[in-house]
Amino acid sequence: GAGVSQSPSNKVTEKGKDVELRCDPISGHTALYWYRQSLGQGLEFLIYFQGNSAPDKSGLPSDRFSAERTGGSVSTLTIQRTQQEDSAVYLCASSLAGVRHNEQFFGPGTRLTVL
Amino acid sequence: KQEVTQIPAALSVPEGENLVLNCSFTDSAIYNLQWFRQDPGKGLTSLLLIQSSQREQTSGRLNASLDKSSGRSTLYIAASQPGDSATYLCAVGLAGNNRKLIWGLGTSLAVNP
Repeated sequence: GAGVSQSPSNKVTEKGKDVELRCDPISGHTALYWYRQSLGQGLEFLIYFQGNSAPDKSGLPSDRFSAERTGGSVSTLTIQRTQQEDSAVYLCASSLAGVRHNEQFFGPGTRLTVL
Repeated sequence: KQEVTQIPAALSVPEGENLVLNCSFTDSAIYNLQWFRQDPGKGLTSLLLIQSSQREQTSGRLNASLDKSSGRSTLYIAASQPGDSATYLCAVGLAGNNRKLIWGLGTSLAVNP
């Protein structure tokens, strides 16, 4: 596809359940980011992948959050034992070093609601 | 720690007005600065990106300026239209390896016909 895609677009889950959110970056983009946008708050950085380097996990809010990127392409963000405060829009972005000055291109997001 | 502030938080103008949205950041050691548009329930649309070595970028009716030394950026929208109504977000790309974005809370713009 031409842009970043994310699935599902909406996810409603019960407190305590695990969820997986998926991101397909732009083909060939080596960098992939996850951000979270909570109601009434700004976007916050969660995690960054670049090629085969170790990911920067400094933004993950707790050890219930994890992410992987397989084959340098698709990424999955997993939230275990979801809590109501995890409700937010989760946005994925990708970029390519040296292209358009590392401009980040965003997917449409996954809206997660934890009941 | 980099912090990004956007003023005003909300703005309502009649159609046709020229307007300025402001963004300030606390640490001048940035890699780039991006302005985004967010429509309700939708994703982010990149509007303009300014490299740290640049002073401004223009696209159509939009002009973004950057004064890195004073920690400020402005987004100028000329001849505003109702279709410009959206939330405008400023994001600073950090210098360093990951270029992660630090975000302001946005300016909610309403352009009235």
